[in-house]
Amino acid sequence: DIQMTQSPSSLSASVGDRVTITCRASQSISSYLNWYQQKPGKAPKLLIYAASSLQSGVPSRFSGSGSGTDFTLTISSLQPEDFATYYCQQSYSTLSYTFGQGTKLEIK
Amino acid sequence: EVQLVESGGGLVQPGGSLRLSCAASGFTFSSYWMHWVRQAPGKGLVWVSRINSDGSSTSYADSVKGRFTISRDNAKNTLYLQMNSLRAEDTAVYYCARDRPHSSGWYQDYWGQGTLVTVSS
Repeated sequence: DIQMTQSPSSLSASVGDRVTITCRASQSISSYLNWYQQKPGKAPKLLIYAASSLQSGVPSRFSGSGSGTDFTLTISSLQPEDFATYYCQQSYSTLSYTFGQGTKLEIK
Repeated sequence: EVQLVESGGGLVQPGGSLRLSCAASGFTFSSYWMHWVRQAPGKGLVWVSRINSDGSSTSYADSVKGRFTISRDNAKNTLYLQMNSLRAEDTAVYYCARDRPHSSGWYQDYWGQGTLVTVSS
């Protein structure tokens, strides 16, 4: 199975900060990488698909990059509503759509 | 408007069974692959299973293989997850999600609100 490892596991930042979250795959997954945001008690929300494509309705301060094994999610200027947990997910293997362990973004 | 509504969760004893349902509306259900994803209390997201559009192809996480069965009824616009031989570690909120294909993979663009399954004696 493909393993996905996110770093950091948690992060403290302030409104207006630029934040980067990293996701590494255990093998090459081309650009088959998605990013989700989840707030407490809510379902996950798709932010980025295919490594760098912004889902409709998602603010442009969110961006994704990478290919192969290393990927990043960047929030250019943190807003209060961005404090949440973020997950990467690979869809290279349709036999197992593995998620990363999550990165909790907290207010400093 | 796309809607996914899960039901069927509850308290079940270890070794017991439960069937979850996910009622879909607002889109042509029979055209989409579907997934189940779960989240144990305070933990991360874990992919559980997926089914293709006509139900002829399925896949499962190793942790549920042989115990859980995903299925769908396209006439009723409903996705199911039959869970047998339940264990305490199956305790989680279970989400259904719609799959979208893309030239660079697949992604889940709509999710239900989740249904809680608690396995305990």
